[in-house]
Amino acid sequence: DTGVSQDPRHKITKRGQNVTFRCDPISEHNRLYWYRQTLGQGPEFLTYFQNEAQLEKSRLLSDRFSAERPKGSFSTLEIQRTEQGDSAMYLCASSLGWQGGSDYTFGSGTRLTVV
Amino acid sequence: DQQVKQNSPSLSVQEGRISILNCDYTNSMFDYFLWYKKYPAEGPTFLISISSIKDKNEDGRFTVFLNKSAKHLSLHIVPSQPGDSAVYFCAANWSGNTGKLIFGQGTTLQVKP
Repeated sequence: DTGVSQDPRHKITKRGQNVTFRCDPISEHNRLYWYRQTLGQGPEFLTYFQNEAQLEKSRLLSDRFSAERPKGSFSTLEIQRTEQGDSAMYLCASSLGWQGGSDYTFGSGTRLTVV
Repeated sequence: DQQVKQNSPSLSVQEGRISILNCDYTNSMFDYFLWYKKYPAEGPTFLISISSIKDKNEDGRFTVFLNKSAKHLSLHIVPSQPGDSAVYFCAANWSGNTGKLIFGQGTTLQVKP
């Protein structure tokens, strides 16, 4: 297993366009998390899944954002009608169960630039 | 509302010396704290953690100290090595939470040879 994979690594899009990111977790991990990191800040929680169920969503996840994990394996994060404020690094992590966060494995992230 | 704060954006230390990274929190509900390390172009990786029932946890060159009354924790790296140069994030968790971490802004550590 090569760890958590995120695709694409970089995405440049024009304001108003829709974008979709993909995360492939470690295969045996049942939990998957999305975080967003803006410049000079730490990761901010967006949402997480246990298997295919989305268990929690942050208020940061406005109605323009949607995340899915249809078969309990990979996940997608879609941003509709992108705004310049959406420019950030989007990080995905996975874990087997919940051990307080010490078992998170993060991917390298997708860097989104909205122009 | 920044519940976990790392007030020093950067720190520069000579190789072999001690690095001390600080973190403050505001929420009394937090009872489990973690440090993550991030190299450029990689995701954060877990380094060390501490429960609020302890005031110190040690793992090799890394020691985390927790002062609950001051709502403050620190990460000590002794001796510092050039490979420790990275961004360090403090994060917090609490009983009843089952899925998310609250991260600080990060401190960039540079260890000079």
